Amino acid sequence: AQTVTQSQPEMSVQEAETVTLSCTYDTSESDYYLFWYKQPPSRQMILVIRQEAYKQQNATENRFSVNFQKAAKSFSLKISDSQLGDAAMYFCAYANFGNEKLTFGTGTRLTIIP
Amino acid sequence: DTEVTQTPKHLVMGMTNKKSLKCEQHMGHRAMYWYKQKAKKPPELMFVYSYEKLSINESVPSRFSPECPNSSLLNLHLHALQPEDSALYLCASSHPAGRGIEAFFGQGTRLTVV
Repeated sequence: AQTVTQSQPEMSVQEAETVTLSCTYDTSESDYYLFWYKQPPSRQMILVIRQEAYKQQNATENRFSVNFQKAAKSFSLKISDSQLGDAAMYFCAYANFGNEKLTFGTGTRLTIIP
Repeated sequence: DTEVTQTPKHLVMGMTNKKSLKCEQHMGHRAMYWYKQKAKKPPELMFVYSYEKLSINESVPSRFSPECPNSSLLNLHLHALQPEDSALYLCASSHPAGRGIEAFFGQGTRLTVV
């Protein structure tokens, strides 16, 4: 069974600074997807960024980028120029290719300090 | 339209009541999901429908009964619930497995069982 570990229950960052959230996972599969989801107090889970395991290039979406280390089974999220609206719970998630099931980590609560 | 719409947003029900949660999407997705999320925890998968057929049931108690009447709608029928079933219930949709399965989530139904 796959597992996803987020070792930072809480993080805080000054507005406009950069913060990195950590995620590690365990799998014996070679084809899979990794995701970062954001859940603000509004409750809706919002996809932040996605990475396919077969791609060596790290995914980026505007101020959000990942550092995907397949051999180390590590998938960290970097948020640049942090904004107040980035405050939320961030979940790392894993899915096997060919299987709809998402496995979530325990989440990291990110606080933005004005 | 990239929305998943859930109704109602809040629901309070007694342990002898029967109620239903509803979810609708118009993104052409053929996989739909129910997740249960307790406070400060990650979402836990309950059910997956793929092409309107139940493909995953994560050993959920029979007091939860899913239904997928068509490709756009997903219901969760509730009967004889327990107070520990109080949680946020999230619906999601995606393309079926193997096509880039990032899931789009609704805002959830906050369920309280009294």
